Amino acid sequence: GAVVSQHPSRVICKSGTSVKIECRSLDFQATTMFWYRQFPKQSLMLMATSNEGSKATYEQGVEKDKFLINHASLTLSTLTVTSAHPEDSSFYICSARERFLMNTEAFFGQGTRLTVV
Amino acid sequence: AQSVTQPDIHITVSEGASLELRCNYSYGATPYLFWYVQSPGQGLQLLLKYFSGDTLVQGIKGFEAEFKRSQSSFNLRKPSVHWSDAAEYFCAVGGYQKVTFGIGTKLQVIP
Repeated sequence: GAVVSQHPSRVICKSGTSVKIECRSLDFQATTMFWYRQFPKQSLMLMATSNEGSKATYEQGVEKDKFLINHASLTLSTLTVTSAHPEDSSFYICSARERFLMNTEAFFGQGTRLTVV
Repeated sequence: AQSVTQPDIHITVSEGASLELRCNYSYGATPYLFWYVQSPGQGLQLLLKYFSGDTLVQGIKGFEAEFKRSQSSFNLRKPSVHWSDAAEYFCAVGGYQKVTFGIGTKLQVIP
C-alpha cells in the first residue's frame, strides 16, 4: 500500500517553543491530508483537514493560531505547534488520501509523540 | 453527524479462542467503514475496510468483519487469537473526507 512518512517520531521541547511535524506521502500525490490528535487512552480526534494550495479547515475547538498547518505541495503537509505548553503533549498522527483514487482509504503515518516540558 | 460506538473498552481473550469486537456507527448515507489496529506507541495499521459489495470483508492477519446495515454494525472477528494480536483496535466510519474514530477496544491476550 501507499506509504506516509511522519517526522519526527518523538520530540521533546521546552514550554514556549514551537515544534514542526512533517507528513509526507512517499509514493503518491495527496491533495488532502488530515491531522489527528490522540490523548492517552483515547481515540483519535480530527484536528484539521489540509488541502494542497489552500488554507486548512479546522475542527471546532481547535485553535488555528496555535496549530499552524501548511500544505505547500502534493506530497508534504506540516503541522507547527506554536508556543507549546505541557497540555499540548500528545500523540499527533497525519493521514493522506491519494489524489486520483476516490474509493480508497487515507493512509496513516506512524505518528509523532510530542512531550512539552 | 457521524459517530462510532465501541461498547467494549477492554477485552481479555485466551490465546486460541475466538474474538469479536463490536462496533456500531451512525452515518447519514452509505458509510465507508474501517478497522484499524494500533500497537503501543505506534501509528495505525488498516486491518480491513468496507466500501461496497460483499458485506463480509476479509482483512489481514486473519481478521474479518461483517457489515449489517439493519443493525448499523461492523463487528470485527477472528476465529483464533494469537498473542501478537494484543493491541488497541479502532473502528472508524466516514466518507471521502472526514473519518470519525471510535474510542477503541484494548485487547489483552492471555496464555
